[in-house]
This record gives sequence, C-alpha cells and structure tokens, in this order.
Amino acid sequence: KQEVTQIPAALSVPEGENLVLNCSFTDSAIYNLQWFRQDPGKGLTSLLLIQSSQREQTSGRLNASLDKSSGRSTLYIAASQPGDSATYLCAVRYNQGGKLIFGQGTELSVKP
Amino acid sequence: GAVVSQHPSWVICKSGTSVKIECRSLDFQATTMFWYRQFPKQSLMLMATSNEGSKATYEQGVEKDKFLINHASLTLSTLTVTSAHPEDSSFYICSARDPLAGGFTGELFFGEGSRLTVL
Repeated sequence: KQEVTQIPAALSVPEGENLVLNCSFTDSAIYNLQWFRQDPGKGLTSLLLIQSSQREQTSGRLNASLDKSSGRSTLYIAASQPGDSATYLCAVRYNQGGKLIFGQGTELSVKP
Repeated sequence: GAVVSQHPSWVICKSGTSVKIECRSLDFQATTMFWYRQFPKQSLMLMATSNEGSKATYEQGVEKDKFLINHASLTLSTLTVTSAHPEDSSFYICSARDPLAGGFTGELFFGEGSRLTVL
C-alpha cells in the first residue's frame, strides 16, 4: 500500500529558528513530490515541486530535498517567521496523470 | 502559478437538500480536476477524478450517487452533494493540473476550499 507519513505532527518553535519537516513514503517509485502549505480553513498553496530525477528545489527561505532510494523528503525552512505558521503537507504522485497521495501534515507554529 | 477558484467558500444547508460546489480554472484549461474531502485536523482524501466530457472516476468507498461530479467544460467542474446529511459536513477542495505549466511537470493547483455544514 502506498502511504505517506509526516513527522512531527505538530511543531512549535521560536521565531528565527531553522527547522526541518520530514516526509516519508513507502513506495519509492514516485513520479514527483509536492510540498504544500495550508492555512486554517483555506485551500492549499503549492510551495515546491520536485521531480523524481531531482534532488532538491529551493524557493526563498524554503528548500526541499528528495532521496528516492530511502523514500524521504525534507522541507527546510530557514529563519522562521510567525507568518510561516500553517500546516505543511507533502504529497507524492506515481505517474504524470495520477492522483496525489497526501501525508497527514505537520502543524507548524512559530512564536514571536 | 495557475489559479483555481471554488464557489461558494462556505455553505450551510438543511438536511435532505442538495448542494452544488463549483471549481473553475481561471487562466488555464484543465482536462482533469480532482475533488478532495478534508475532515478537521486530517489530511486530504481524494474522492474522485473529474474528466472533461466523460464520467468521473470515484475512489473506493465514495458513493457516486451521493457525490455527483460533472465536468462539462475545460474550465469548470461541479460537485453536487445530494440529499446532504450532517455527516457530509466537511471541507471540500478541488484541484486541477495545468498541462502547459512548467513543461508537463504535473504540478497541481488547488482551490480555496468550500466548507459545507449540514444542519
């Protein structure tokens, strides 16, 4: 069964800290992996998309890495800010037209 | 990125009524859209894949007669919750893939979600 797991489920850090969110998937034959941000009661905002042939993607203070062989991805957030508080979801796809399989998310709280 | 819009963003209805939620791709044509359901503090559960001009493909356990999906054009898919009951109360989110974005990267874009409360 293809499953996605995110650890930790919740994380609280003081402002300014660098932090890492983890995502693991059981079947390593992914097509791509996508990280999303979800604010309470809102839809999803795509943060980073990593193709299976890529090792990492960067956008501003965000860096996502992918290690297919070990079935893992990490989202690194540098110099965290209170505005980064949200739930972060990772999702994998196993073919171009296939569905996204989501993890449970990590609820991040950055304290001023 | 591409923009996907949902309407309404929230709706309250009486038990037994039907509710329609619209999902539109505003600046691209989407041959495929996806409908998800999300319970509080939980992740997204795929309900069905909506294909333009053909029948939707439902995930196992999702009642197709309960959740009617219509994808009549390349920019619009609708989800109708028929004879809604309190257990249908949830957050419904649609997504669409822009096939021209980034050279077929397959990136998905999501709507803002629609919160349904059935009394």
